[in-house]
Amino acid sequence: DAGVTQSPTHLIKTRGQQVTLRCSPISGHKSVSWYQQVLGQGPQFIFQYYEKEERGRGNFPDRFSARQFPNYSSELNVNALLLGDSALYLCASSFQGGSGNTIYFGEGSWLTVV
Amino acid sequence: DQQVKQNSPSLSVQEGRISILNCDYTNSMFDYFLWYKKYPAEGPTFLISISSIKDKNEDGRFTVFLNKSAKHLSLHIVPSQPGDSAVYFCAAREGYGGSQGNLIFGKGTKLSVKP
Repeated sequence: DAGVTQSPTHLIKTRGQQVTLRCSPISGHKSVSWYQQVLGQGPQFIFQYYEKEERGRGNFPDRFSARQFPNYSSELNVNALLLGDSALYLCASSFQGGSGNTIYFGEGSWLTVV
Repeated sequence: DQQVKQNSPSLSVQEGRISILNCDYTNSMFDYFLWYKKYPAEGPTFLISISSIKDKNEDGRFTVFLNKSAKHLSLHIVPSQPGDSAVYFCAAREGYGGSQGNLIFGKGTKLSVKP
């Protein structure tokens, strides 16, 4: 069975540009979350979506947005990129949004902003 | 203020011995704790979890212990193998109210298992 898949795996953008990252959850999983990991830190929660509705939002600026599609895949958008947005962006999926289910991560999308 | 703390940035252990990774938390509303292992350039891999109503969970070489009164959990790996060398993250899940199901991570502990 396929795990959580993310695309692209690596990308380089220029300051001020916009980026869209994509995620397909594990088959049957309805909840998708996004995390940002910078070097030397643990992943930080950005968004959670469950059944296409936003269920949680971390402490990130409005430049960050996301959505979930009817097939439960998800996109993370970041506008007006800053150098500090350079990080590994991780997508995680679980069967259900809020009850004791393991959360599985994809391999991540490495974003470099120059 | 960090709600999940892994105070040891690194740990070195001899192959075959026990590795003990520690994690402290401050929020008594966390309802689930998870451990992840991460290799460079890969996403975190789930290892083991424990509900806040339990005090121990075991899966093969991995055992997690939870001490709620001390707000402390630990991951024991026995016996340690060179392939266990990686960064280990402790994560706590916020229960209901607020963001349902999001994880709060520690900064990680880099485990090196020497042959």
